[in-house]
Amino acid sequence: DAGVTQSPTHLIKTRGQQVTLRCSPKSGHDTVSWYQQALGQGPQFIFQYYEEEERQRGNFPDRFSGHQFPNYSSELNVNALLLGDSALYLCAGAGRGGRGGEQFFGPGTRLTVL
Amino acid sequence: AQSVTQLGSHVSVSEGALVLLRCNYSSSVPPYLFWYVQYPNQGLQLLLKYTSAATLVKGINGFEAEFKKSETSFHLTKPSAHMSDAAEYFCAVSERYSSASKIIFGSGTRLSIRP
Repeated sequence: DAGVTQSPTHLIKTRGQQVTLRCSPKSGHDTVSWYQQALGQGPQFIFQYYEEEERQRGNFPDRFSGHQFPNYSSELNVNALLLGDSALYLCAGAGRGGRGGEQFFGPGTRLTVL
Repeated sequence: AQSVTQLGSHVSVSEGALVLLRCNYSSSVPPYLFWYVQYPNQGLQLLLKYTSAATLVKGINGFEAEFKKSETSFHLTKPSAHMSDAAEYFCAVSERYSSASKIIFGSGTRLSIRP
């Protein structure tokens, strides 16, 4: 059983560009959360998707948007990139009511904005 | 609002020594508390969790943590450090123990092990 996968592993963009990050949760996990981890800081919650809808959102601007597909995989889109968007982006998958609510994290995508 | 504060951004101990990583929480509702570990270039792995059952929680790799409501603390300990324990450790809190609940993380403590 594959774990949580994220692509790409690394990405370099310039200010003003747009980026799309992808996440596939473990098999059977239908809830996907995205977190931003800036260098030297803990992860911060961006938003969560369930049943292809954004269920809750953290304190991030509308430049951050997402999508969930019928197979439960998810995308994170960031528009008009800023230098401050440079970070490790983590996604976490979970199944509703399964195994006590543990969220399983992927290895992340390292985004560098120049 | 919920938050966690990790005391000490960097802790260094000798191999075989006691590991103590400190975490204090703030929550207006009974909290659910977690410790995660992050090895270089990897995602987060759950070490242990407190979900209002036993106050002393045992996790993987010999780690344990004790929930102390009176001190609003959830410190992580390990009796004897191994070189393989070198990593970043995050204390975290959520309102519910549910796959739907967002997790709020502390800023992390980097643990170094001296030979």
